[in-house]
Amino acid sequence: DAGVIQSPRHEVTEMGQEVTLRCKPISGHNSLFWYRQTMMRGLELLIYFNNNVPIDDSGMPEDRFSAKMPNASFSTLKIQPSEPRDSAVYFCASSFLGAAGDEQFFGPGTRLTVL
Amino acid sequence: AQTVTQSQPEMSVQEAETVTLSCTYDTSESDYYLFWYKQPPSRQMILVIRQEAYKQQNATENRFSVNFQKAAKSFSLKISDSQLGDAAMYFCAFGTDKLIFGTGTRLQVFP
Repeated sequence: DAGVIQSPRHEVTEMGQEVTLRCKPISGHNSLFWYRQTMMRGLELLIYFNNNVPIDDSGMPEDRFSAKMPNASFSTLKIQPSEPRDSAVYFCASSFLGAAGDEQFFGPGTRLTVL
Repeated sequence: AQTVTQSQPEMSVQEAETVTLSCTYDTSESDYYLFWYKQPPSRQMILVIRQEAYKQQNATENRFSVNFQKAAKSFSLKISDSQLGDAAMYFCAFGTDKLIFGTGTRLQVFP
């Protein structure tokens, strides 16, 4: 299995532009998680899905952030409009059931820089 | 709300020696899991070890073991026979249906 796939690996954009990050979870996994990692705030959960349905989006910082999972093999995290403080590494992770003890498998992350 | 605290921003160890990374957490939950994840310079997060809170026996995975003290809400990671490849950021995480991560400990391994 190829693992969790994220694209792009690096994204540089200007303030005000729309940014879309993409994730393909491991086939057969039913839960998908989006995280953001910064030096100041560490690794924080933004949103997670079970069976394509958003379960908890309490970590989404603002209305500028939105996430979708139209099917079991694809999810997007969109920032519109982007701001310099959104610069971070964004990780996608998936797990088989999303149950408490399930291992989450992480993608390689997307490093976002907003100028 | 759950919190996870890693009080050691950096640690270092000599190759072949043993090192212990500390983690404490706070929760009112009785049923949960605890994890240690490793993030090498490639930034890929990798699960190192997992502990179920209702199990008293400490988890072990080859050279990695934990000291889980439920009453003290402490969950430390011991790395034995350290190798150069163990150099990474190590994150402690508290898990119910989602993970809450600590701020990480950067481990350096010297030859």
